Amino acid sequence: QVQLQESGPGLVKPSQTLSLTCTVSGGSISSGSHYWSWIRQPAGKRLEWIGRIYFNGGTNHNASLKSRITMSVDTSKNQFSLKLTSVTAADTAVYFCARGSWVEKGVWFFDLWGRGTLVTVSS
Amino acid sequence: QSVLTQPPSASGTPGQRVSISCSGGSSNIGRHTVNWYQHLPGTAPRLLIYSNNQRPSGVPDRFSGSKSGTSASLAISGLQSEDEADYFCAAWDDSLNGLWVFGGGTKLTVL
Repeated sequence: QVQLQESGPGLVKPSQTLSLTCTVSGGSISSGSHYWSWIRQPAGKRLEWIGRIYFNGGTNHNASLKSRITMSVDTSKNQFSLKLTSVTAADTAVYFCARGSWVEKGVWFFDLWGRGTLVTVSS
Repeated sequence: QSVLTQPPSASGTPGQRVSISCSGGSSNIGRHTVNWYQHLPGTAPRLLIYSNNQRPSGVPDRFSGSKSGTSASLAISGLQSEDEADYFCAAWDDSLNGLWVFGGGTKLTVL
């Protein structure tokens, strides 16, 4: 079955760039009926949607994170990635990757998630 | 409002029926469908309900969802010990050029 796995450094220094990759196994990232998202959860707080990317590279992101986000997709490796620049302690969180799926117009949901990876921003 | 509100905790005894609410606003639940997830820390969240009341294959029919206006509910009947987990709701929100919003999560304890 399709599985998602996050990977990347667990510790990032303030003002540097957080980089994470999500590897999709058991299925193709190039499916037109899915998109691929990043979601994070600071300790004790609610989940926050970061953004999504389609297999063709089209993206949407949370406007509250402004221009700090870059997302990319590598269909040859079945991976998609997140870069978050100028990080601060407020970016410390468990980062999840997730697959968005749809069954009909207007009906979208995240049907598969990774287990999440903790990223700590600290000097 | 651009956030979804859930009670922080809920509890029940085995065999009971429990319900978890999710309150939103006109920009999210009022316009879009609601999804529910089960999450055990350290594991991948599991989709329980999509499109307000639809169960993915493999989810027991003990789990059901409903929506009315700007609120939604998840009901779990025949409560089992393995149901002890965090549950959160999610919906698309039309604010800020559009984004997914999530409930704060409800910790369900099976007494």
